[in-house]
Amino acid sequence: GDSVTQMEGPVTLSEEAFLTINCTYTATGYPSLFWYVQYPGEGLQLLLKATKADDKGSNKGFEATYRKETTSFHLEKGSVQVSDSAVYFCALTDNQAGTALIFGKGTTLSVSS
Amino acid sequence: EAGVAQSPRYKIIEKRQSVAFWCNPISGHATLYWYQQILGQGPKLLIQFQNNGVVDDSQLPKDRFSAERLKGVDSTLKIQPAKLEDSAVYLCASRLTGGSYNEQFFGPGTRLTVL
Repeated sequence: GDSVTQMEGPVTLSEEAFLTINCTYTATGYPSLFWYVQYPGEGLQLLLKATKADDKGSNKGFEATYRKETTSFHLEKGSVQVSDSAVYFCALTDNQAGTALIFGKGTTLSVSS
Repeated sequence: EAGVAQSPRYKIIEKRQSVAFWCNPISGHATLYWYQQILGQGPKLLIQFQNNGVVDDSQLPKDRFSAERLKGVDSTLKIQPAKLEDSAVYLCASRLTGGSYNEQFFGPGTRLTVL
C-alpha cells in the first residue's frame, strides 16, 4: 500500500540555520503531498501542499517541491527561527479527493537561539 | 469560524475499562475522520464517515473499537475494553466534500492513557 518515509529526528539547529527534512513516498497512483506541523500542545496544522508533479508548495518561509522522478517532497527553510520548533509530518492522499491522509512518523525540530 | 472540537482533552483509565471520545466537526463539513496517533508515530486512520455513513473502517479494531456519527454531525468513538496498547492521542478531523482537494482540519485531540 501507499506509504511515507521521512528522516529520523530529532533535528537540532541554531537560529538562522538552513533546514532540510527529507520525505519520500510510495504510491500506486498520483498522490497529493502535504507537510503538517504540530506545535507543542497544539493540534495538527497544514503547513503546505502540492497536488501534482513539479508543484511547489510554500508557506511561512517553508518550501517543498513535488518530485515525481525521485518520489520525494523534501521540506526546506532558508533561515529557521526558535518559533519553528515543532514536529513536522509528511503526508499523502491519493488524488481521489477526500480519502484519508497517510502520514510519516514525524520529525522533531528543535531550534535554539 | 469555530474549529473542530474534541472532548475530553485527557483521559486516564485502567485496562479493561471503557472510554468514549466526542468530536464536533466544523459546521457544514460532511466528511469526518478519526485517527490514532501513538507516541513517536504519525497519525493512522481508524474510521472515515461521509455524513452518517462509514466510508472506510478497514483499520478499526472492531472487536473493541466502535464509532458512530448520528445525524451526520457529531461523532463518538468508543473503546471497550481498553488495552495498554490503546494509549495514544485520538484525533478527529473534518473536511468539506466535493470539488478539488479541500483541507482536513484537525481538532486538538484526546490523550488517552491506559494503566
